[in-house]
Amino acid sequence: SQQGEEDPQALSIQEGENATMNCSYKTSINNLQWYRQNSGRGLVHLILIRSNEREKHSGRLRVTLDTSKKSSSLLITASRAADTASYFCATAASGGSYIPTFGRGTSLIVHP
Amino acid sequence: EADIYQTPRYLVIGTGKKITLECSQTMGHDKMYWYQQDPGMELHLIHYSYGVNSTEKGDLSSESTVSRIRTEHFPLTLESARPSHTSQYLCASSERDAGYTFGSGTRLTVV
Repeated sequence: SQQGEEDPQALSIQEGENATMNCSYKTSINNLQWYRQNSGRGLVHLILIRSNEREKHSGRLRVTLDTSKKSSSLLITASRAADTASYFCATAASGGSYIPTFGRGTSLIVHP
Repeated sequence: EADIYQTPRYLVIGTGKKITLECSQTMGHDKMYWYQQDPGMELHLIHYSYGVNSTEKGDLSSESTVSRIRTEHFPLTLESARPSHTSQYLCASSERDAGYTFGSGTRLTVV
């Protein structure tokens, strides 16, 4: 399946530390997206990276994409307690309907 | 912050009842989607629409139906709710090849 798989499943860090989450997928993609979900709420779009891009930044977020390894990483620098959430990657297959499929997410806890 | 609205936020109903979950967006997006998500699990696409009078079933087999009579409105209906329908339902919209905007979700419990 095209579904992205996040790793690790759970991550617990102290405020101020960096958090890195990874996403692997199986087939060629048009783009890969990262989302955040606070407990019991909807998802918030963070970054979309296209297959011809290698790195994107947004504030304290840095996303990389390695299409040769079919993987992506999300780095949150100088984490804050408010970053506590689940983070999902979603992959949109190339040549397809562009509807992304979601993984199970990484649960991040940032301790104050 | 959200330009996509879902109601109700929480719903507890009895088995066999007919329910409609509402979803509206103010961004003029052509594409809209319904996902089902159990706690701690991935999202499963149950329905999507590329525009008015366009609806398609997603990857997850569902006993629900949707309609798209207006661009901004994409309601989901369960004709006869069962305990197996207990879940969170998330509505989203997007432009082509762009990120999704999600609503806050409806948490449905069928007793």
